Amino acid sequence: QKEVEQNSGPLSVPEGAIASLNCTYSDRGSQSFFWYRQYSGKSPELIMFIYSNGDKEDGRFTAQLNKASQYVSLLIRDSQPSDSATYLCAVDSGAGSYQLTFGKGTKLSVIP
Amino acid sequence: DVKVTQSSRYLVKRTGEKVFLECVQDMDHENMFWYRQDPGLGLRLIYFSYDVKMKEKGDIPEGYSVSREKKERFSLILESASTNQTSMYLCASSIPTGAGTGEIGNTIYFGEGSWLTVV
Repeated sequence: QKEVEQNSGPLSVPEGAIASLNCTYSDRGSQSFFWYRQYSGKSPELIMFIYSNGDKEDGRFTAQLNKASQYVSLLIRDSQPSDSATYLCAVDSGAGSYQLTFGKGTKLSVIP
Repeated sequence: DVKVTQSSRYLVKRTGEKVFLECVQDMDHENMFWYRQDPGLGLRLIYFSYDVKMKEKGDIPEGYSVSREKKERFSLILESASTNQTSMYLCASSIPTGAGTGEIGNTIYFGEGSWLTVV
């Protein structure tokens, strides 16, 4: 059974701080990794994806991937109250797979 | 922008009723999915389809069936609704991503969700 583990939180950070969200996965064959944001009562929306080891930056968001450690993280710089949401990590089932396995999410609260 | 539309947002059905949840995507995506999301359990895949008339079971297919007669439409059917099927149902479609860079994955885009209550 493929597993994607996230700390459920809640993770509380003050406005303007860096929020760090972490995710570990069990399948060494996984190739692509995704971060989704989900506001309460809404559907998940894609923030970014990463395939290669290292960092990938998109605005205030940075995804970090370490395949050797089976670890992927999301950093949110200059956190805003509007970033308060649940963040879902998702991992594929190997090259060419259609499916993603989702973690249960980390709830982030940004305190004004 | 990717558009995945779930026509029924909020439904209340009685136990034993047959329930249809409809989903349409407008981006010519090959792959479509149905998930349900429950507190503490996260997103769980019910069924997916990688082509018209093709379907594959996900993690929790029991009590559900699907239909994909046209590429843009993927329907979830609850043959006889039960109270344990009260949930939020999410339709999604996906497209290969990053092929131009040599990096291949399938990015999933979700519809707005359908909240089903079975009483």
